[in-house]
Amino acid sequence: EPEVTQTPSHQVTQMGQEVILRCVPISNHLYFYWYRQILGQKVEFLVSFYNNEISEKSEIFDDQFSVERPDGSNFTLKIRSTKLEDSAMYFCASIPAGLRPYNEQFFGPGTRLTVL
Amino acid sequence: QQQVKQSPQSLIVQKGGISIINCAYENTAFDYFPWYQQFPGKGPALLIAIRPDVSEKKEGRFTISFNKSAKQFSLHIMDSQPGDSATYFCAGTLLTASKLTFGTGTRLQVTL
Repeated sequence: EPEVTQTPSHQVTQMGQEVILRCVPISNHLYFYWYRQILGQKVEFLVSFYNNEISEKSEIFDDQFSVERPDGSNFTLKIRSTKLEDSAMYFCASIPAGLRPYNEQFFGPGTRLTVL
Repeated sequence: QQQVKQSPQSLIVQKGGISIINCAYENTAFDYFPWYQQFPGKGPALLIAIRPDVSEKKEGRFTISFNKSAKQFSLHIMDSQPGDSATYFCAGTLLTASKLTFGTGTRLQVTL
């Protein structure tokens, strides 16, 4: 069964460094999302992406964050200058194309980002 | 506010018992309420979902009860098994590929 994959599984970085988290959504999916989960807290929406542009973003998704789909398969989240509070598990999710009446999002296994 | 409140935070149930997790939402525009199951080291996976035009949906041992007037819904796991031990998240969203607003999660442990 096709799965959403994410790399790396764990990223450790120094405060102020740039990180890029990578996701490979399922091949025929069209809608893409990033969520994050700070340890012990709920999963929070960051951004949604459709047709090569951001369709919605949360207050968390400020100018330090960006997303792109550089080659039609990968979907990346970049954090330009990481802060300690960016330490979290980051999940990528996607929705298939076609007549799908319900909002069933398929999640990847996550990337644990640790900012030191 | 578009919060979804979830309780309890953790739950221990004996094998064969009923696990009940409750959620309450604020945004009356939500028209799709999924439950996600998450095992350690994995991403959340859709378990079961309901639309507000029905009061109950059952899939195997999993049932969602929905009370639109109270803006509450709950997940019931009948005949709970050790393999059900996971974290469960309720969510609210719109049907049209919108973001999920998650509850805070419930860590379920089913003991032998």
